[in-house]
Amino acid sequence: DAEITQSPRHKITETGRQVTLACHQTWNHNNMFWYRQDLGHGLRLIHYSYGVQDTNKGEVSDGYSVSRSNTEDLPLTLESAASSQTSVYFCATATSGRAGEQFFGPGTRLTVL
Amino acid sequence: GESVGLHLPTLSVQEGDNSIINCAYSNSASDYFIWYKQESGKGPQFIIDIRSNMDKRQGQRVTVLLNKTVKHLSLQIAATQPGDSAVYFCAENSTGGSYIPTFGRGTSLIVHP
Repeated sequence: DAEITQSPRHKITETGRQVTLACHQTWNHNNMFWYRQDLGHGLRLIHYSYGVQDTNKGEVSDGYSVSRSNTEDLPLTLESAASSQTSVYFCATATSGRAGEQFFGPGTRLTVL
Repeated sequence: GESVGLHLPTLSVQEGDNSIINCAYSNSASDYFIWYKQESGKGPQFIIDIRSNMDKRQGQRVTVLLNKTVKHLSLQIAATQPGDSAVYFCAENSTGGSYIPTFGRGTSLIVHP
């Protein structure tokens, strides 16, 4: 069965360190998204990609970057982790032909000390 | 700015009762609406969607109602079960635009046995 995997599932890091969260999908979807979820804010879009070599900033992109070198993967990098980036991060995918129906991964809980 | 929101942050029901979760939206350009369910520790999961040319759509034990006049969306769950306990998000999108939905904050449904 097609799926989305995220790794690691839990990560503790220190302020100032670079962290990369992995997202891998076997749906063969063109569209991939990264969200963070915090209490009181719901899901907020960080970055998204409509295909290989395409990346776009979301509403909370500062301090984050992504790259899309193939269809399956969209790694999210925190260039210099800050305590404000402690959150649960979700990767999602969607087909090009069905706007809005997204498939989510299991999430990564990141703690920045 | 325009936004999607939920009327009730928490809804408690008894097992077997019907549940109704409400959502208001304000973007008049939205023409596609989605409900997601998020269980504790998991990513959101697509439940049901509805397009603006419909006012009702039924799934398995779930019904979504759309009232475009007052910009209101609701999710009805019949014969609520303990396994329905989760956070429910509504989201809106425009099929003519990006593939990025705007999510509400979520309503927590608690089902008491």
